[in-house]
Amino acid sequence: EVQLVESGGGLVQPGRSLKLSCLASGFTFSNYGMNWIRQAPGKGLEWVASISSSSSYIYYADTVKGRFTISRDNAKNTLYLQMTSLRSEDTALYYCARDRLGVMDAWGQGASVTVSS
Amino acid sequence: DIQMTQSPASLSASPEEIVTITCQASQDIGNWLAWYQQKPGKSPQLLIYSATSLADGIPSRFSGSRSGTQYSLKISRLQVEDTGIYYCLQRYSNPWTFGGGTKLELK
Repeated sequence: EVQLVESGGGLVQPGRSLKLSCLASGFTFSNYGMNWIRQAPGKGLEWVASISSSSSYIYYADTVKGRFTISRDNAKNTLYLQMTSLRSEDTALYYCARDRLGVMDAWGQGASVTVSS
Repeated sequence: DIQMTQSPASLSASPEEIVTITCQASQDIGNWLAWYQQKPGKSPQLLIYSATSLADGIPSRFSGSRSGTQYSLKISRLQVEDTGIYYCLQRYSNPWTFGGGTKLELK
């Protein structure tokens, strides 16, 4: 069974940093691209960042470019999102999702990030 | 950026009815369109990929279609468990963009 488990969320002050992790199991992690998608409270889905299976290709939404860094450790089956210079508008539930069939086919349960003083 | 305009924003329907949700792409995206269902308090679940292909384990009463740059999700024989918010997603070009969502309620 494919499982994606996010961790590392929490309450953080504006301007500070936070690092999310996503532990994958039930599939060969190193064969798949991965994504981060977020959902602000009561709002829709927003794609944040993507990384290819070997980290050769990385893409970011303009809203996070220069502040967030996506990375992965295939030996640890783990995806990361390093978030710096956090703003109140970054408050959201952050999902990691696997790439397959050209879409995000499996999602984690999400990690909550609240940016507030 | 490609804009995905989804409609309606909300709808209410009765069990066994047929409902259709649409997404209009701001430019050609080919068949790079997916549909997701998000039930309250849950993660999104893939329903349809490549505009018309049914994802694993999804009932056949869900179907997707395309007419030019307009994409539709049809749910036949609506069930109570179909309550939720439905999103389209374009994966034709970066940045990947979602539609604004359609909230489906059962009467």
